[in-house]
Amino acid sequence: DSGVTQTPKHLITATGQRVTLRCSPRSGDLSVYWYQQSLDQGLQFLIQYYNGEERAKGNILERFSAQQFPDLHSELNLSSLELGDSALYFCASSVDDREAKNIQYFGAGTRLSVL
Amino acid sequence: GQNIDQPTEMTATEGAIVQINCTYQTSGFNGLFWYQQHAGEAPTFLSYNVLDGLEEKGRFSSFLSRSKGYSYLLLKELQMKDSASYLCAVRDDSSGTYKYIFGTGTRLKVLA
Repeated sequence: DSGVTQTPKHLITATGQRVTLRCSPRSGDLSVYWYQQSLDQGLQFLIQYYNGEERAKGNILERFSAQQFPDLHSELNLSSLELGDSALYFCASSVDDREAKNIQYFGAGTRLSVL
Repeated sequence: GQNIDQPTEMTATEGAIVQINCTYQTSGFNGLFWYQQHAGEAPTFLSYNVLDGLEEKGRFSSFLSRSKGYSYLLLKELQMKDSASYLCAVRDDSSGTYKYIFGTGTRLKVLA
């Protein structure tokens, strides 16, 4: 158990809908990262937050947004869902991204199926 | 641009040694990570290199050559439970922020 909690584990929804994925980082970790992993694809970095502020942005679509709350949990919002958004969404956390050896600890992921 | 290349799949026999290669191109290299990911599960951290050379950790070792943009993960005394995907990831600081670029992973099958 990495200490990173993601809910829900599975999500099935229809095209055009909106969903929210939730992540609670390990105790003491200030950075939260969101990744998308499609079938046979590598982990695609979406966005990172550090202590409530957006730190870095990757290949995140405009239909997707995220935030990190004062209690450090984070939510990833996916709207106007398309079939191609079906994937495993991982959240990871780390202590401090300023250190080069910044080990990320991953949650178990949320499997999103868009029908 | 930024790019990471790894072989898609490898097969090895229980008890053997396997080397998984990773080549990368990035302008702001600041560390290379190896993660293990079993099918449908979360990636877990294996090793980290930032300086040239070999880092050894039990049955697993990782090597880095920054001048060649090359790393490998060496797994010794293979066990069936080592069947998993191995992800190479590079930390890139070129844009003023820290980004992590993951390769698509190498799926390792360990045969009895």
